[in-house]
Amino acid sequence: DAGVIQSPRHEVTEMGQEVTLRCKPISGHNSLFWYRQTMMRGLELLIYFNNNVPIDDSGMPEDRFSAKMPNASFSTLKIQPSEPRDSAVYFCASRQGLETQYFGPGTRLLVL
Amino acid sequence: SQQGEEDPQALSIQEGENATMNCSYKTSINNLQWYRQNSGRGLVHLILIRSNEREKHSGRLRVTLDTSKKSSSLLITASRAADTASYFCATDQGGNTGKLIFGQGTTLQVKP
Repeated sequence: DAGVIQSPRHEVTEMGQEVTLRCKPISGHNSLFWYRQTMMRGLELLIYFNNNVPIDDSGMPEDRFSAKMPNASFSTLKIQPSEPRDSAVYFCASRQGLETQYFGPGTRLLVL
Repeated sequence: SQQGEEDPQALSIQEGENATMNCSYKTSINNLQWYRQNSGRGLVHLILIRSNEREKHSGRLRVTLDTSKKSSSLLITASRAADTASYFCATDQGGNTGKLIFGQGTTLQVKP
């Protein structure tokens, strides 16, 4: 199994630009999570999906952030417009059942 | 606010020594999980302990859980340089969501 796949691994963009992060969960997993990690705030849950349906998006910072899961094998996290304070490492994780989450390698985002 | 608080924030030991990390949390939980993160990488699940369990072992790892004190500890015995990483506890508050709340982590350095 290839594990959770995220792309791109690194993204550098300018303030105001749209950023799209992508995630392919492990095949057969029915839950998908988006996290953001920064030195100041640690690891924060942004949103999670169960069977492709968003269950809890209370961690999404503001309307500039949106996430979709059009099918069981793909999800996107979009930031529009991006701001320097969005610079962080964004992780996607997936899970089958209610216990262990498997994390992807992360996307390191830098907004200039 | 973070549910889990790790202690210490940083730990430096010699290879062969044991490393103990602690985690405290605030609300009742369904289970508590420990993850490891190597620098620049995603999180890797280490061990899960349920609320009705008191101790669990996995190789050189030993986890304890004291629900009366709302605390857990992770012991790594006979540490190796490869154990150098950040270690996070994460609490699942139940409700059949599997939503995890992560602590700020303990950075462990094992010197060869």
